[in-house]
Amino acid sequence: DAKTTQPNSMESNEEEPVHLPCNHSTISGTDYIHWYRQLPSQGPEYVIHGLTSNVNNRMASLAIAEDRKSSTLILHRATLRDAAVYYCILRDVSGGGSNYKLTFGKGTLLTVNP
Amino acid sequence: GAGVSQTPSNKVTEKGKYVELRCDPISGHTALYWYRQSLGQGPEFLIYFQGTGAADDSGLPNDRFFAVRPEGSVSTLKIQRTERGDSAVYLCASSVPQGSITEAFFGQGTRLTVV
Repeated sequence: DAKTTQPNSMESNEEEPVHLPCNHSTISGTDYIHWYRQLPSQGPEYVIHGLTSNVNNRMASLAIAEDRKSSTLILHRATLRDAAVYYCILRDVSGGGSNYKLTFGKGTLLTVNP
Repeated sequence: GAGVSQTPSNKVTEKGKYVELRCDPISGHTALYWYRQSLGQGPEFLIYFQGTGAADDSGLPNDRFFAVRPEGSVSTLKIQRTERGDSAVYLCASSVPQGSITEAFFGQGTRLTVV
């Protein structure tokens, strides 16, 4: 699986936007970019995914670089409930890939200050 | 109960004992996964079921670990002769069938402590 690189930790203030970066310089054309987050004492939960175009949903936005070698998860107004570990994961959709498997790194620990 | 349910939420066992961890996936989800998460690490893949069969068990660390899903719904992860190094949070997830890019839904996990 293609590797992703994320900062170990980031800090934000409540009600401010947060930009969580992810580098994936070895991404292939069939890799989707997925983001999951894990709140304290919870299992991971899906946040968003995309292939080439920027994506928006009720939780966040995903900005994908034109060359697809990096992406940014955007939380528009951080709340205390957004404090979690955020994982950026590449998922291969080609027929020969094990696209059912999520390969987690260590993620980015986001702290939100009141 | 619309989510993935795992029981027990916590399990303390003595070294050398046998344990079973249970996962109830979301109804209708034919794909089921087990992951293991050690402190400070991301979840690590153990095994994947498509229906009743284990399609990929390459993540199971050794032959002390075994998982079943006899009726294609509930799954049980079984660990024999537990060791202190088996202490971790065991996570179960389910999703619609492989091949579609859909989200995996995770349970809250079972925290296993081997003393």
